[in-house]
Amino acid sequence: EAGVTQFPSHSVIEKGQTVTLRCDPISGHDNLYWYRRVMGKEIKFLLHFVKESKQDESGMPNNRFLAERTGGTYSTLKVQPAELEDSGVYFCASSTRTGRNSPLHFGNGTRLTVT
Amino acid sequence: RKEVEQDPGPFNVPEGATVAFNCTYSNSASQSFFWYRQDCRKEPKLLMSVYSSGNEDGRFTAQLNRASQYISLLIRDSKLSDSATYLCVVTNNDMRFGAGTRLTVKP
Repeated sequence: EAGVTQFPSHSVIEKGQTVTLRCDPISGHDNLYWYRRVMGKEIKFLLHFVKESKQDESGMPNNRFLAERTGGTYSTLKVQPAELEDSGVYFCASSTRTGRNSPLHFGNGTRLTVT
Repeated sequence: RKEVEQDPGPFNVPEGATVAFNCTYSNSASQSFFWYRQDCRKEPKLLMSVYSSGNEDGRFTAQLNRASQYISLLIRDSKLSDSATYLCVVTNNDMRFGAGTRLTVKP
């Protein structure tokens, strides 16, 4: 079984540019999550998809961040325009069920550096 | 108050030591609890689920106290390979992570 895959693994962009991160969850996993960890801080929830619907996007920091999951398969997270404070590691995770006893399977993360 | 709070760490222990991590959570409606391990520059990986009755997996023991909203992880006979950051994770409908506790096991 292929795990959660994320692309790219690293991205270095200048302030003001746009970056799109991609996540392919484990096949059959309806739940897809985006998290990020900025330097020295805890992993923070960004949003949660159930299939193609946004279940919870309360963690999205501002309207420069746009997440989509068309067709309920892979997801993209676009940052436009990027700011310095957006630098960090963006993790995607998927699970079969929501909530109880449904551990997350994480991708390797995308390390974003905004200069 | 943060949703999930952990011991600040870091913990530096010798091989063979027993070390315990604590975690408290604020949402009494939380349903599931986990400990994840994250190695440097890697993704978090599930270490173990935490059940109300307490559970053990080899050298690792996890306990949950719902009344006190408290979770613990005990590592016995620490190995060098246990060095990592340990993340307490609490779920209601979504997972919330603690800041993590850094453990370094030294020879």
